[in-house]
Amino acid sequence: GIQVEQSPPDLILQEGANSTLRCNFSDSVNNLQWFHQNPWGQLINLFYIPSGTKQNGRLSATTVATERYSLLYISSSQTTDSGVYFCAVELNRDDKIIFGKGTRLHILP
Amino acid sequence: GAGVSQSPSNKVTEKGKDVELRCDPISGHTALYWYRQSLGQGLEFLIYFQGNSAPDKSGLPSDRFSAERTGGSVSTLTIQRTQQEDSAVYLCASSLDRRGTQYFGPGTRLLVL
Repeated sequence: GIQVEQSPPDLILQEGANSTLRCNFSDSVNNLQWFHQNPWGQLINLFYIPSGTKQNGRLSATTVATERYSLLYISSSQTTDSGVYFCAVELNRDDKIIFGKGTRLHILP
Repeated sequence: GAGVSQSPSNKVTEKGKDVELRCDPISGHTALYWYRQSLGQGLEFLIYFQGNSAPDKSGLPSDRFSAERTGGSVSTLTIQRTQQEDSAVYLCASSLDRRGTQYFGPGTRLLVL
């Protein structure tokens, strides 16, 4: 089956730093999403991005479908950015959604 | 308006019992998703509903799991003959349509003793 790999697995940064999270996938996909799960477990859907670039405040995402990767950029990190960031892909042939194992981000005050 | 709600918020059951989990999506959202997250683990997709259409059930972990969606709104996830490995947080999300932003409920924490 399709493999979804996220890197780095863990990241510790000082408040104010910028970061780039990566998601690689091994097959053609219909769509790609980024999610954030805060330390209390609440999930938020950040981006729905099959290709191209989208921006929302300090966050932006770029997906290069032909090269099978997506990047999530976080600028001027805040402690509220802490948590786990998941990448998920939707396959072309069915309705399944496959998640990566996530990147755990810890922003230090 | 109200967000996605799930009930119960917590459920403790004995191995072998059946459980039913409920999800109330945001009004007007046609797409509804069920996910599972085991303790300290990542997210696992279970099933997706689009309106009243029959879902693809192949993502469900075993034939003990079933899900239905009534009238394109409320959904229930049923686990029969629960096993200890079914212990997890079961999350529901809804979106306006298939390509829309998903809004998550708070989850149901299931513990099978």
